[in-house]
Amino acid sequence: AQSVSQHNHHVILSEAASLELGCNYSYGGTVNLFWYVQYPGQHLQLLLKYFSGDPLVKGIKGFEAEFIKSKFSFNLRKPSVQWSDTAEYFCAVNAVNQGGKLIFGQGTELSVKP
Amino acid sequence: GAGVSQSPSNKVTEKGKDVELRCDPISGHTALYWYRQSLGQGLEFLIYFQGNSAPDKSGLPSDRFSAERTGGSVSTLTIQRTQQEDSAVYLCASSFYGLAGGPSTGELFFGEGSRLTVL
Repeated sequence: AQSVSQHNHHVILSEAASLELGCNYSYGGTVNLFWYVQYPGQHLQLLLKYFSGDPLVKGIKGFEAEFIKSKFSFNLRKPSVQWSDTAEYFCAVNAVNQGGKLIFGQGTELSVKP
Repeated sequence: GAGVSQSPSNKVTEKGKDVELRCDPISGHTALYWYRQSLGQGLEFLIYFQGNSAPDKSGLPSDRFSAERTGGSVSTLTIQRTQQEDSAVYLCASSFYGLAGGPSTGELFFGEGSRLTVL
């Protein structure tokens, strides 16, 4: 069965620091990959997605993620974080030949200090 | 409605009681998903619907959990004989055509969730 692992449970950064959140999945076939974000008191929303093509995907608010197939990874990056990026971030994977099921990781809580 | 609507937003029940959680997806969305969010556990997949059919029920934790969707719209998640470990936030999401539709439709829109507390 497919699974998603996020390495960091809680990351604390100062404003302007660079961010990289790790995500690895276990599935050998074709996948669609996602990052969702949950800001405090708000519902989950899509940050970015990869279906095919350029493995470097750009999303909203300056976030990007790179799909490295050989490493089964889809790490999220941002060059310079802001206090408003404080949120919980979830990586998710859909195994294409297993239909529409979307599996999420455990989440990474990001705290940005002003 | 404009977004995914879930009710009740909060439910406190006694162990052993049955509960029903309701989800109204975005109008026109054919795919509907249920997840459970517990502290430190991330989002646990429960079940998803494509129309009224549930192609994958593999995430339902036990036979006390069931879900149905009628008319391709509203869905109800029922938990029978609730246990304390059922306490969590139950999230519903909908998608225009689900992930099979490709990148243009492969976004899930989430509701605010139903927080269930079993005493």
